[in-house]
Amino acid sequence: DAKTTQPTSMDCAEGRAANLPCNHSTISGNEYVYWYRQIHSQGPQYIIHGLKNNETNEMASLIITEDRKSSTLILPHATLRDTAVYYCIVRVESTGSGSARQLTFGSGTQLTVLP
Amino acid sequence: EADIYQTPRYLVIGTGKKITLECSQTMGHDKMYWYQQDPGMELHLIHYSYGVNSTEKGDLSSESTVSRIRTEHFPLTLESARPSHTSQYLCASSESGSPPNYGYTFGSGTRLTVV
Repeated sequence: DAKTTQPTSMDCAEGRAANLPCNHSTISGNEYVYWYRQIHSQGPQYIIHGLKNNETNEMASLIITEDRKSSTLILPHATLRDTAVYYCIVRVESTGSGSARQLTFGSGTQLTVLP
Repeated sequence: EADIYQTPRYLVIGTGKKITLECSQTMGHDKMYWYQQDPGMELHLIHYSYGVNSTEKGDLSSESTVSRIRTEHFPLTLESARPSHTSQYLCASSESGSPPNYGYTFGSGTRLTVV
């Protein structure tokens, strides 16, 4: 699975959009981009994933560059409860039955939403 | 509302004791995982399973063992706990679709302290 690079930490003002970047320059054509977050002392929470098209759900938007070498997670209106470590993960999805593709977590970005 | 449950939430136990950390999910997911995470550090996969009677070791070597006798249940056992086993243990599951529509679902974790 491709390696990802994220900034160690970021701040964002409450109510503003939080834009979290991720570089995955060695990503291959069949690897998906996943985003998770982990609020202190809790288990990670799935946010969104995509392959090459931009994606949006009730939590966030995912923008993937055309060459797929980087992506940005956007939280449109950050709240204090969005303060967490955000993980960007790329991985190949299994195509055969019976194989478990596990997620490999890196260090992530500590996002702090400021009042 | 959690669909994956870990018990106990906190455990303090003496060296040499045998312990079992429980993990159950009600979503019918075939794939389940155990991660270990020290405070402020990365998550590391220690075990995974892609179905009943199937278990594999993860990226990080662990002295723990797991079993998967029922789809919904994936307990982790330490035969003889040591202080080096002090950590947070996170259980997760995912559906069998490729890619899974909603990623991994994590439990709240068990914070283990061996004294």
